[in-house]
Amino acid sequence: GAVVSQHPSWVICKSGTSVKIECRSLDFQATTMFWYRQFPKQSLMLMATSNEGSKATYEQGVEKDKFLINHASLTLSTLTVTSAHPEDSSFYICSATKGGGAAYEQYFGPGTRLTVT
Amino acid sequence: GNSVTQMEGPVTLSEEAFLTINCTYTATGYPSLFWYVQYPGEGLQLLLKATKADDKGSNKGFEATYRKETTSFHLEKGSVQVSDSAVYFCALARSTNAGKSTFGDGTTLTVKP
Repeated sequence: GAVVSQHPSWVICKSGTSVKIECRSLDFQATTMFWYRQFPKQSLMLMATSNEGSKATYEQGVEKDKFLINHASLTLSTLTVTSAHPEDSSFYICSATKGGGAAYEQYFGPGTRLTVT
Repeated sequence: GNSVTQMEGPVTLSEEAFLTINCTYTATGYPSLFWYVQYPGEGLQLLLKATKADDKGSNKGFEATYRKETTSFHLEKGSVQVSDSAVYFCALARSTNAGKSTFGDGTTLTVKP
């Protein structure tokens, strides 16, 4: 199997506080992890690509200082939303790839619903 | 750059109806193609994939064939069930880009009993 977990599954925080979301690959080592934000009309927006031991690569328009990504090991990546505001409320999804081969399918976590009040 | 265009939804079908969700792509080289499915309140999961031209991916009664000549990867199922109600995403990935995928906007399918 290829299971990816996220924690927490939902979180409510006050405006101005920071929130950390964890993404773990449970039964494989993930060479690369991705962070997405999903908007209400279902479109998936790639925020950043994360490789273990190196700095994340952010997509254009994503604030690096606001969305801090740390890829501490081959099984764990974290996304910290700093000084959260109501407009950061969204569904955040991570995914991981095993690497190698030709397919590069992604294994997705179940998502984290963030609500900023 | 790479792009994926899929049929706009929502799509509403009666149980046992035939399903087609169109997907076309633009990419250089030879990408791998995927269909992912997202059930309500959940993350995405891989439904099927194809890695080269003329490959057919299949799973749970769903099929899609990698057509390089038409740059398409249409999703089909002969008889849908209520439990197939979900959002379906077409995507491509290239090995030269470390698996970074390009997704379509998703198509919502609702199957009514």
